[in-house]
Amino acid sequence: GENVEQHPSTLSVQEGDSAVIKCTYSDSASNYFPWYKQELGKGPQLIIDIRSNVGEKKDQRIAVTLNKTAKHFSLHITETQPEDSAVYFCAASRNTGGFKTIFGAGTRLFVKA
Amino acid sequence: DTGVSQDPRHKITKRGQNVTFRCDPISEHNRLYWYRQTLGQGPEFLTYFQNEAQLEKSRLLSDRFSAERPKGSFSTLEIQRTEQGDSAMYLCASSIGLGQNTGELFFGEGSRLTVL
Repeated sequence: GENVEQHPSTLSVQEGDSAVIKCTYSDSASNYFPWYKQELGKGPQLIIDIRSNVGEKKDQRIAVTLNKTAKHFSLHITETQPEDSAVYFCAASRNTGGFKTIFGAGTRLFVKA
Repeated sequence: DTGVSQDPRHKITKRGQNVTFRCDPISEHNRLYWYRQTLGQGPEFLTYFQNEAQLEKSRLLSDRFSAERPKGSFSTLEIQRTEQGDSAMYLCASSIGLGQNTGELFFGEGSRLTVL
């Protein structure tokens, strides 16, 4: 069945350092890969996404890369700040079937000031 | 507030009771999704609607769970004969429908269920 694996489950970095979270997916038909950030007591919120026709996308301090051949995708956060501390989820979906989105188990990121 | 709203935010019930959660999506969104999230895990897909039609249900969804979206606007998720294993956060999300769908899900803040 469809599955998304995410590593690491916990990540602690010093403020200003970079953080990298990696995911793999199983459904080769997936063509949309969003990343969500969830803060305590709130629902997940989209921070960046990438579609299968590109290999990399950047938005200020956040970048995502996609390797469709290997079914890997990654989130890179540079110059981390304490407010980046949250749980991050990678996900995969396809633009048929209603964009049913399958989530990874999450990475809890701690940014130490 | 034009975001996705869920009610109630918290529900404590005894095992065997029925519970119902309500979700009001963003008004122009055609698609509505229910997810379940347990501690330390990502959201797990339960079901989704395109307008009033329920187009997919997770195979993991017990017969005790039923969802409706009668007029293609708000949705309800009912759990009958609750069990302790049903304790979780139930998240609702909505997205723009066909032709404009970017894939982005807009989540509510969830309804936390505790079954004693």
